Amino acid sequence: AQTVTQSQPEMSVQEAETVTLSCTYDTSESDYYLFWYKQPPSRQMILVIRQEAYKQQNATENRFSVNFQKAAKSFSLKISDSQLGDAAMYFCAYPNQGGKLIFGQGTELSVKP
Amino acid sequence: SQTIHQWPATLVQPVGSPLSLECTVEGTSNPNLYWYRQAAGRGLQLLFYSVGIGQISSEVPQNLSASRPQDRQFILSSKKLLLSDSGFYLCAWSVRGRRNYGYTFGSGTRLTVV
Repeated sequence: AQTVTQSQPEMSVQEAETVTLSCTYDTSESDYYLFWYKQPPSRQMILVIRQEAYKQQNATENRFSVNFQKAAKSFSLKISDSQLGDAAMYFCAYPNQGGKLIFGQGTELSVKP
Repeated sequence: SQTIHQWPATLVQPVGSPLSLECTVEGTSNPNLYWYRQAAGRGLQLLFYSVGIGQISSEVPQNLSASRPQDRQFILSSKKLLLSDSGFYLCAWSVRGRRNYGYTFGSGTRLTVV
């Protein structure tokens, strides 16, 4: 079964510090994509970063980067220089071959000033 | 550019009343369309998805139904709402056959059934 698991329901980080959110997934595919979405209090879903499984290089978008470990089926999100505006729910997601986007349970990130 | 519109933003409905939530996409054609529900504070549950006009797949048995009368229009309905239908509903679209593009979400509808 294709699943996405986020084992950290809540995380907290000090402003300007770095935090890593964990995600593991299960798929039998060899070529696929993974996403991290951010859902701020407005509840709008915002795509933060994407990773292509066939690329060994970890994706980076400004202060956001991923640590993609294909063999371990791990896809963590690192947020550097955390800002108050980073406080949100973060979802790891995997689009399966049928076109369905499968979400993890989410990690609620709080940023302390 | 592509945009997705979802309305209404907020809805309070009595138990037993009907429901109609609408979602439209602009700037693209033949999108895959999705309805998700998010219970208070947590993960997203896929309710329906559609790969074309009149083609609807249901993920979970429930009190809701979906229709796609036009290529870029997706409607979520209920004949009689239950208290358990309360939640946050999100519409989304993706490029058919291109998983790498990601999914774009509407701004959501907060439904409270009283």
